Amino acid sequence: NAGVTQTPKFRVLKTGQSMTLLCAQDMNHEYMYWYRQDPGMGLRLIHYSVGEGTTAKGEVPDGYNVSRLKKQNFLLGLESAAPSQTSVYFCASDRAPPYEQYFGPGTRLTVT
Amino acid sequence: AQTVTQSQPEMSVQEAETVTLSCTYDTSESNYYLFWYKQPPSRQMILVIRQEAYKQQNATENRFSVNFQKAAKSFSLKISDSQLGDTAMYFCAFMKPHSGGGADGLTFGKGTHLIIQP
Repeated sequence: NAGVTQTPKFRVLKTGQSMTLLCAQDMNHEYMYWYRQDPGMGLRLIHYSVGEGTTAKGEVPDGYNVSRLKKQNFLLGLESAAPSQTSVYFCASDRAPPYEQYFGPGTRLTVT
Repeated sequence: AQTVTQSQPEMSVQEAETVTLSCTYDTSESNYYLFWYKQPPSRQMILVIRQEAYKQQNATENRFSVNFQKAAKSFSLKISDSQLGDTAMYFCAFMKPHSGGGADGLTFGKGTHLIIQP
């Protein structure tokens, strides 16, 4: 039981490049989330999904797109990376209730 | 929108002491959940404790307990017999569930850096 895994763990992009972050969970959780964490800040919600094929915007969705084609996977895409997207990205999943989110190990993304 | 405030950017205590981390939140909701998460230097987010707003009894998990004051919108975390391994960032978080299931995700405070000195 791997829990929540994220691929890749680190990535460096140039401004304007695109990439996709993959999140996978093996706990059969219905709900999945993408957050970003910047220095001196708590995590902020980018997008989330309440089920296969459904997604919704969070607090900071601009510049990101997501897809949930399979229940166990949640993809976060950056179409044209900007330096402001330099951050650590966390994926999480849970079921309701008890709404206890399990987090992946994070992806450190640097955009130069 | 909900907001979560942690007013202590950093705290330092001696090993074996008891320490309390503060958290206040602002919401107009009556049904919600509150959480404390720990983030050690490894960066992994670890759930410490969870409280349901409709439960008056304060949650406890071994050395960790909360003081939940719903009217005051306060949710503090008490760590008893602190250990070196408790050194970490601690985040308070709020979640509002949907009536039909699911939730909007967690709203986090900015965190408190707790240092346990030997």
